[in-house]
Amino acid sequence: QKEVEQNSGPLSVPEGAIASLNCTYSDRGSQSFFWYRQYSGKSPELIMFIYSNGDKEDGRFTAQLNKASQYVSLLIRDSQPSDSATYLCAVTRLKAAGNKLTFGGGTRVLVKP
Amino acid sequence: DTAVSQTPKYLVTQMGNDKSIKCEQNLGHDTMYWYKQDSKKFLKIMFSYNNKELIINETVPNRFSPKSPDKAHLNLHINSLELGDSAVYFCASSQDRRQLSGNTIYFGEGSWLTVV
Repeated sequence: QKEVEQNSGPLSVPEGAIASLNCTYSDRGSQSFFWYRQYSGKSPELIMFIYSNGDKEDGRFTAQLNKASQYVSLLIRDSQPSDSATYLCAVTRLKAAGNKLTFGGGTRVLVKP
Repeated sequence: DTAVSQTPKYLVTQMGNDKSIKCEQNLGHDTMYWYKQDSKKFLKIMFSYNNKELIINETVPNRFSPKSPDKAHLNLHINSLELGDSAVYFCASSQDRRQLSGNTIYFGEGSWLTVV
């Protein structure tokens, strides 16, 4: 079992719709959870992080965390073609030396006009 | 002003050669990393240095040797390159605060290594 699992996609979403991305993790000791966006040929850039159960909103993005189910998700509202990218979920333990981020394989999102 | 810069961006080399990738960050961070992203897009940590001290050393062949002359620089030297070393290598940095809010990791633009 991979430590962090994501559906590779592609997730095809019409422009203006909500894109829903899911991520599960195996390490119950994970404490901080991150979503990165990576455009093709570019480096990952942080969208948001979450560490408490529930929802966290930032603009059109909402991260949801359920530690009991070891599940974190990302919702993208009003999807735009510029949101087309690969979204990487990453988890870490707070006390891990050097903040070792463990990444999932990413979900590719395609927003169609 | 590039926060995390790495060179070269593209590198094509033959099997058996030795090559280095250099990384510098101007964010004042105390922790730097090397991540490898393979053709399947999995991003995996290789090494992490905190204030020039090696603190994470994942299962990486000893042909890979990181060097941190100071906390703003972390270089990666690879000996006897193999075909399987072809990947994108990302340098990254963060300020180690050990808080739940996380220590945002900033990535460099990547170095595309192709071994032929």
